[in-house]
Amino acid sequence: DTEVTQTPKHLVMGMTNKKSLKCEQHMGHRAMYWYKQKAKKPPELMFVYSYEKLSINESVPSRFSPECPNSSLLNLHLHALQPEDSALYLCASSQELGQGAFFGQGTRLTVV
Amino acid sequence: QKEVEQNSGPLSVPEGAIASLNCTYSDRGSQSFFWYRQYSGKSPELIMFIYSNGDKEDGRFTAQLNKASQYVSLLIRDSQPSDSATYLCAVRAGGYNKLIFGAGTRLAVHP
Repeated sequence: DTEVTQTPKHLVMGMTNKKSLKCEQHMGHRAMYWYKQKAKKPPELMFVYSYEKLSINESVPSRFSPECPNSSLLNLHLHALQPEDSALYLCASSQELGQGAFFGQGTRLTVV
Repeated sequence: QKEVEQNSGPLSVPEGAIASLNCTYSDRGSQSFFWYRQYSGKSPELIMFIYSNGDKEDGRFTAQLNKASQYVSLLIRDSQPSDSATYLCAVRAGGYNKLIFGAGTRLAVHP
């Protein structure tokens, strides 16, 4: 089962809202990632977790807060976002860091 | 800055032809190379990976790696309209535990 599941698929939020994106995988992968993708651009790495510990933070603004409650789950907490944060947010996982990652279907986020 | 470069396309090929997608990278220490396919509005899908110089075949797909020349390519034989998508090259640069993506090449296979 090479599946990474993300919820919700679509999210519209106001600039004062707090929301969370969720990601789950049951492949026993030990590395999990959050990417942001704008239209016609490649995925842009935000955070990397390895063995449930934050390994890489690509200087992401603090209005994005990741959390890894256990080896199967990854959350991205959102607060006080800006309209320019509207994008497709992708979760991915890989067996170990730096290996080929499998992506979830993404959450399309619109900030109004 | 570690870079991965791809021609943005579109690369247009007729159905049944071989599509050749190329990618160059700047870091000689790069270790692992990946090709992703992304349909419009969907998430990237891992289709090939290659670690060693030479060719690696999987069905209609062949990945080619030349570390001396710092390029990796993807060949798609017997191209089908369903292959029309953006193909992203990703490289694990030496000493980095993350993948660096190229901007992608849009492939259009016409009947």
